Amino acid sequence: EDQVTQSPEALRLQEGESSSLNCSYTVSGLRGLFWYRQDPGKGPEFLFTLYSAGEEKEKERLKATLTKKESFLHITAPKPEDSATYLCAVQMDSSYKLIFGSGTRLLVRP
Amino acid sequence: DAEITQSPRHKITETGRQVTLACHQTWNHNNMFWYRQDLGHGLRLIHYSYGVQDTNKGEVSDGYSVSRSNTEDLPLTLESAASSQTSVYFCASSPDWGNEQFFGPGTRLTVL
Repeated sequence: EDQVTQSPEALRLQEGESSSLNCSYTVSGLRGLFWYRQDPGKGPEFLFTLYSAGEEKEKERLKATLTKKESFLHITAPKPEDSATYLCAVQMDSSYKLIFGSGTRLLVRP
Repeated sequence: DAEITQSPRHKITETGRQVTLACHQTWNHNNMFWYRQDLGHGLRLIHYSYGVQDTNKGEVSDGYSVSRSNTEDLPLTLESAASSQTSVYFCASSPDWGNEQFFGPGTRLTVL
């Protein structure tokens, strides 16, 4: 069964304390892996798309990486405004639909 | 600026009533999607459309229907609302496969 698992479910960091969020997947024929940020009461906001193992993308304090089985979202020196839920989704060759993980709730304390 | 909007933002209805949630995008995207988001389940696909007159069922389509009569709109209808359909509903669109989906602000639906 195609599945996307995110860990941890919740993460509390002090401002400036770097960490990583994990997204592991078991799908046949990965077309792309997507990272989104979601603030309370809002729709998901697109961050990155990764297409092949070894690929990396960066945006401000965020860097996403991809292997054949998982993706990491690295957060360097986070600030309180980085607090949000981060969602991972995979798109398969066979159907082009997105399968989402349950997300990681990140809280960065000042 | 191009955008995707949903209405209403909040809706309370009773069991058995028909409810329609609106989704409108001004990007001229061919692909549109409806998801529901519940605690512990993440985002789950309800229905999707690749273009005008095209609709497809997602993983949780029972009790829902959609129709696509133009590029801009994909309304979601709950034929006979059930308490299990209490959720937050998100509409999304994308220009092509392999591209990111852009999400609307969501509709919080409560079925009493």
